[in-house]
Amino acid sequence: GQNIDQPTEMTATEGAIVQINCTYQTSGFNGLFWYQQHAGEAPTFLSYNVLDGLEEKGRFSSFLSRSKGYSYLLLKELQMKDSASYLCAVRDGRNTGFQKLVFGTGTRLLVSP
Amino acid sequence: GAVVSQHPSWVICKSGTSVKIECRSLDFQATTMFWYRQFPKQSLMLMATSNEGSKATYEQGVEKDKFLINHASLTLSTLTVTSAHPEDSSFYICSAISLAGAGGVPYEQYFGPGTRLTVT
Repeated sequence: GQNIDQPTEMTATEGAIVQINCTYQTSGFNGLFWYQQHAGEAPTFLSYNVLDGLEEKGRFSSFLSRSKGYSYLLLKELQMKDSASYLCAVRDGRNTGFQKLVFGTGTRLLVSP
Repeated sequence: GAVVSQHPSWVICKSGTSVKIECRSLDFQATTMFWYRQFPKQSLMLMATSNEGSKATYEQGVEKDKFLINHASLTLSTLTVTSAHPEDSSFYICSAISLAGAGGVPYEQYFGPGTRLTVT
């Protein structure tokens, strides 16, 4: 089966650093994605990890440990506009050609002044 | 590049009627498109995988006769919600995989802006 867990909500202060964790148990693994989604809008791509380690992209970094079934998204120098939901998604990949994404529950981040 | 559009962006329909949602890849060809549903404050739930020229593959618990999917070309997939009921009110999002892997990430999914369906 597929099980992807994230904290439901987090709060942080403008300028701070926040880490959003994601743990997963999936039958197949072919990469992990992080998306940002503002209310009423489609998800936008933030990062992709398929090998263990840290991927850095400006203020955003994502880490993956496949043996632990664990990832985190690190947001630095938080800005008010970073208030959004952050979705962790694992790509199944067992069925070649389909490449399904299984989404976690999502974490709503509220950045306060 | 790799833009996906949806039409309409929002729709209100009466209970019992059908509504069609279009998903188009504007600047790339997509052999595979996905349809998701998202209820308020919840995450995306995959409804079905749509492959050009073949029948869609539905996730467990999704009624294929209620949610009709047609993927007639490499740039267009449609989702028709038949005999809609208030419980079908949701945010429907499609995504498409670029044939050429335009984004640098293998088989990256590009998401449309979503369609807000309200059934009264």
